Amino acid sequence: EAGVAQSPRYKIIEKRQSVAFWCNPISGHATLYWYQQILGQGPKLLIQFQNNGVVDDSQLPKDRFSAERLKGVDSTLKIQPAKLEDSAVYLCASSLRAGTSISEQYFGPGTRLTVT
Amino acid sequence: AQSVTQLDSQVPVFEEAPVELRCNYSSSVSVYLFWYVQYPNQGLQLLLKYLSGSTLVKGINGFEAEFNKSQTSFHLRKPSVHISDTAEYFCATTNTGNQFYFGTGTSLTVIP
Repeated sequence: EAGVAQSPRYKIIEKRQSVAFWCNPISGHATLYWYQQILGQGPKLLIQFQNNGVVDDSQLPKDRFSAERLKGVDSTLKIQPAKLEDSAVYLCASSLRAGTSISEQYFGPGTRLTVT
Repeated sequence: AQSVTQLDSQVPVFEEAPVELRCNYSSSVSVYLFWYVQYPNQGLQLLLKYLSGSTLVKGINGFEAEFNKSQTSFHLRKPSVHISDTAEYFCATTNTGNQFYFGTGTSLTVIP
């Protein structure tokens, strides 16, 4: 079974530029998560999708971050414009479902973003 | 609100020695607890989880954890560590399966 795929693995941009990350979850997984992991900290949930609908985006900085999950499969997370404090690893995870049961989350390898 | 606290940011241990990584949780409702491992430049991998039932949970790679309600703890243990266990370990919790809360992580270094 293929795991969660993410690209790119690494990205370096200057502040005020824009960047996009892509995630392809495990086939059949209805729930998709984007996490931000700052160096030395645990992952923090940015947004959660159930199929192509947003379940929780309460911690997403909506003035600069956006995410979509078209057709309920792949997802893209965008930052525009980037700030220095956005430097982090962005993790994508997927699970069979959430809400009515506790499903294991499977994580991708992450995208390491450096904003200079 | 749900949260977990990992009491040790770094734990060095000699190879073949036992190790315990500590995690305390806070919750006023039903709690589900997880331990994840993160190897360098990789995503998180589930080691074990406690949802209900037996308080002693066995996971992969010889790890186990014990859910202690009275002490609100979910410490991770391994009787004999290997070099390959060197990694970052995260405790996490959820009460609904929607919002997961992760601890700040414990860096385990196994010394040859």
